[in-house]
Amino acid sequence: DIQMTQSPSTLSASVGDRVTITCRASQSISSWLAWYQQKPGKAPKLLIYKASSLESGVPSRFSGSGSGTEFTLTISSLQPDDFATYYCQQYNSYSPVRIAFGPGTKVDIK
Amino acid sequence: EVQLVESGGGLVQPGGSLRLSCAASGFTFSSYAMSWVRQAPGKGLEWVSAISGSGGSTYYADSVKGRFTISRDNSKNTLYLQMNSLRAEDTAVYYCAKSSGYCSSTSCDHFDYWGQGTLVTVSS
Repeated sequence: DIQMTQSPSTLSASVGDRVTITCRASQSISSWLAWYQQKPGKAPKLLIYKASSLESGVPSRFSGSGSGTEFTLTISSLQPDDFATYYCQQYNSYSPVRIAFGPGTKVDIK
Repeated sequence: EVQLVESGGGLVQPGGSLRLSCAASGFTFSSYAMSWVRQAPGKGLEWVSAISGSGGSTYYADSVKGRFTISRDNSKNTLYLQMNSLRAEDTAVYYCAKSSGYCSSTSCDHFDYWGQGTLVTVSS
């Protein structure tokens, strides 16, 4: 099965900072990667799909890049509403369906 | 507006059963694959199961295979998860999630909408 890792696990940042989160897959997943934001007690929210496509309604300060095994989520200028946990997800396992999430990156206030 | 509303969670003893439901509205339900994703308290997201739009194909995580059954009733716009032989480690918030498209034999499209979740607690 494809394993997903994320770094860092926790990130302390200030409003206005540029923030980058890295996600790695144990084998190539092409561009079949999504990013979600989750706030405490709430359902996840889709931010990015197919590695770099911005979901409708998501602010343009969010961007995604990468392909193969290494991917990044960048927040160009962190806003108060962005303090949350971020998960990457692979959705093409090239074998019987095995959807996998990364362990998450918590972005908190510095 | 797409809405997904889960129900059926609660407290159940180890070895017991529970059936979750997810009522969908705001889109053509039968055209999209659906999944269940769970989150144990204080932990990350874990995909549990997926089903094609027609209901003809189903997929499971190894951790639940043989114990959980996913199904759907397209005439009622409702997704189900029958959970049997429940264990303490199944304790989690269970979310239903809509795929943006379909599932093939090797992939399911990403999740563009999620329900609010329902809590399942397995404890004696």
